[in-house]
Amino acid sequence: NAGVTQTPKFQVLKTGQSMTLQCAQDMNHEYMSWYRQDPGMGLRLIHYSVGAGITDQGEVPNGYNVSRSTTEDFPLRLLSAAPSQTSVYFCASRPVQENPRLSTQYFGPGTRLTVL
Amino acid sequence: AQTVTQSQPEMSVQEAETVTLSCTYDTSESDYYLFWYKQPPSRQMILVIRQEAYKQQNATENRFSVNFQKAAKSFSLKISDSQLGDAAMYFCAYRSRWGGAQKLVFGQGTRLTINP
Repeated sequence: NAGVTQTPKFQVLKTGQSMTLQCAQDMNHEYMSWYRQDPGMGLRLIHYSVGAGITDQGEVPNGYNVSRSTTEDFPLRLLSAAPSQTSVYFCASRPVQENPRLSTQYFGPGTRLTVL
Repeated sequence: AQTVTQSQPEMSVQEAETVTLSCTYDTSESDYYLFWYKQPPSRQMILVIRQEAYKQQNATENRFSVNFQKAAKSFSLKISDSQLGDAAMYFCAYRSRWGGAQKLVFGQGTRLTINP
């Protein structure tokens, strides 16, 4: 049981390049989400998904696309990277059912992205 | 929209002493979750403690406890017998229990330093 995994750990892009940040979880969680963390700020929600085939926008979705073809994977795509997207990105997952014991969100280790 | 405020950007404490981190939030909901997350230099987000709003009893986890004041919308974290390994950034977070994105809303964080 690896939990939530993210690749790569570090990435440097040039403005205008595209890339995909990978996220996978092996806990059969329905809910997955992407956050970004900028200096002096808490994490902000980019996109989320409540199950395969279902995605929705969070607080800061512009410049990012997501898809959810399987329960396990939730990749985040940057189609044309901009310096404003320099940040640390976290993927998270949790079960959807409203059991307080299962309300905890599990975070991946993060990806540090720099856009030059 | 819900907001979370951590008014202490930095705190320091002597090893073995007690420190309290403050958090206030704003919401019109009556049922929700509150969390404290720890983020060490490794960047991993680690759940410290969780509180369900419908529970009047304050949550405790070993040396960590909270003071949950629902009417005042306050959720402080007390760390007893501080250890060097407690040094990290601490984030307070809110999550709705029902409906919508059920996203985590984070405060700006408090950097805790432990002095030996």
